[in-house]
Amino acid sequence: KQEVTQIPAALSVPEGENLVLNCSFTDSAIYNLQWFRQDPGKGLTSLLLIQSSQREQTSGRLNASLDKSSGRSTLYIAASQPGDSATYLCALANQAGTALIFGKGTTLSVSS
Amino acid sequence: GAVVSQHPSWVICKSGTSVKIECRSLDFQATTMFWYRQFPKQSLMLMATSNEGSKATYEQGVEKDKFLINHASLTLSTLTVTSAHPEDSSFYICSARDQLGQGDDTGELFFGEGSRLTVL
Repeated sequence: KQEVTQIPAALSVPEGENLVLNCSFTDSAIYNLQWFRQDPGKGLTSLLLIQSSQREQTSGRLNASLDKSSGRSTLYIAASQPGDSATYLCALANQAGTALIFGKGTTLSVSS
Repeated sequence: GAVVSQHPSWVICKSGTSVKIECRSLDFQATTMFWYRQFPKQSLMLMATSNEGSKATYEQGVEKDKFLINHASLTLSTLTVTSAHPEDSSFYICSARDQLGQGDDTGELFFGEGSRLTVL
């Protein structure tokens, strides 16, 4: 059974720091992987989607990488800002058309 | 990106009553929608897969008679929490896939804003 783990569970950094959030999964046979942001009490905002054939995706200050063989994905946030404070969720689909399996998330706090 | 709308965004009800939550894909068609539940400080747990025109598929441990799912059209799925109890209080989120056509589907899922249910 696929399991998704995110570490650390929480992270506090000063503004301006570059940081890395980690996601690991137990079964490397995935279809795609998505990173989401969730603000308290709110829904999910999709940040980046990586297909199984891709190694990384970039959007602005965000870069997500995927290494299927090692069962890992990382989300890199450059020059963090207080507005980046939120919970970041990693989720993956094992097959096309199937539901996403979520990790428990990393709660990020960026102080000014 | 594609837009998924949920309604209501929050609801408070008395124990024993039923509550219906709607999930709509606003600018695309979705033959499949997914319903998730999120308890405080926990991750999203899949409850069921909703298929247009057929019965929903429920995850193990989810009572299908309590959580009624109807997917009557390509743009609307509803979740009805029947005879709600305080332990059903949670954040319910739906998601849908924008199906661009066979061979062109990125598989990206789009999520609604969520519906917070509080049962007194």
